[in-house]
Amino acid sequence: DAGVTQSPTHLIKTRGQHVTLRCSPISGHKSVSWYQQVLGQGPQFIFQYYEKEERGRGNFPDRFSARQFPNYSSELNVNALLLGDSALYLCASSSALTSGSYEQYFGPGTRLTVT
Amino acid sequence: KNEVEQSPQNLTAQEGEFITINCSYSVGISALHWLQQHPGGGIVSLFMLSSGKKKHGRLIATINIQEKHSSLHITASHPRDSAVYICAVRTQGGSEKLVFGKGTKLTVNP
Repeated sequence: DAGVTQSPTHLIKTRGQHVTLRCSPISGHKSVSWYQQVLGQGPQFIFQYYEKEERGRGNFPDRFSARQFPNYSSELNVNALLLGDSALYLCASSSALTSGSYEQYFGPGTRLTVT
Repeated sequence: KNEVEQSPQNLTAQEGEFITINCSYSVGISALHWLQQHPGGGIVSLFMLSSGKKKHGRLIATINIQEKHSSLHITASHPRDSAVYICAVRTQGGSEKLVFGKGTKLTVNP
């Protein structure tokens, strides 16, 4: 069974451009979360989607947006890129929204470099 | 002050040593995760705990809910254990987002 997949693996963009990152959850998982990990730091929560609805948002500007599709895959969009947006973007999926016992499974990440 | 603090930040050990990584948190949680991240970025979930102790192979994780503290132990460490170990807590209520520590970089020398 395939794990969480993310595309692209690496991406280089210029300041001011926009970017779309994609995530496919494990089959049967309905919850997708996005995290940003700046070099040397732990990941920071950006969004959680469950059943195509936003269920949580971290402390990120409105330039960051996301959506979840009927097949539970998800896109993260970042507009007006800044140098500080350079990071590893991680997607994680799980089978439940509110449960004390569900696991989150992480994808390999997309490394975004903004020049 | 971060909601999740890990110590130490960096740890170097000789092969075979017993290793302990600590995690303290200041928020109410529904679960605590220990994660392993190798160079290149991929994150693997090692444990999810809400109470007590779990063991998997040479890895042991414990949590004390009253003291808001968890430890990850590695017995008979091996160079392949070299990685960044991250503690993350699932906060109570709402979206139950994960809040991460900054990680502990472990290097095990042969």
